[in-house]
Amino acid sequence: GAVVSQHPSRVICKSGTSVKIECRSLDFQATTMFWYRQFPKQSLMLMATSNEGSKATYEQGVEKDKFLINHASLTLSTLTVTSAHPEDSSFYICSARRGPPGGPYNEQFFGPGTRLTVL
Amino acid sequence: DQQVKQNSPSLSVQEGRISILNCDYTNSMFDYFLWYKKYPAEGPTFLISISSIKDKNEDGRFTVFLNKSAKHLSLHIVPSQPGDSAVYFCAASAAGTASKLTFGTGTRLQVTL
Repeated sequence: GAVVSQHPSRVICKSGTSVKIECRSLDFQATTMFWYRQFPKQSLMLMATSNEGSKATYEQGVEKDKFLINHASLTLSTLTVTSAHPEDSSFYICSARRGPPGGPYNEQFFGPGTRLTVL
Repeated sequence: DQQVKQNSPSLSVQEGRISILNCDYTNSMFDYFLWYKKYPAEGPTFLISISSIKDKNEDGRFTVFLNKSAKHLSLHIVPSQPGDSAVYFCAASAAGTASKLTFGTGTRLQVTL
């Protein structure tokens, strides 16, 4: 099967600091990665789509200067929450899409998530 | 604007019985639907999917039904097992959106002994 890892699994930081979350596809190359956030008892909300070697596409209402996404290689995408505030506390989940765009939708594999708590 | 809705936040079913999880959508552009299972503090895992050209897809104990005219889909689990206890999300995608998924709010399934 396809494995996607995230690091760290849990992070606590002070307000005003920046936090970097890594998403890696361990056994396949991911041309596209997605970043989601989930508030307690709510749905997963897509934040941005990240394509290797190009700028990320952000969903409406997501601040691209606050949530910096870098997809530098076919196996790694990073999400940096800059100048974090308590309202940024959430569960952040990435997914990685195997294969070229236009392929089967079920070829999208999710990481285990990162719990961010901003004090 | 919640385009994908799961109106039942929780469901309790006895082991061996059928579990039926429901999902409604509003966007008529959606043409592919997926069900994911999620445990706490973990990412979702794919269960089963269905294209809008079909009305049923079956995989072992899991069957997904799609009613396009009603914009409604359901996931049937038969027989239900204690290990099926988790949160189930339905998700939808539209052609030309680069596989972007819109998730429902989830239904927590509890399978009791």
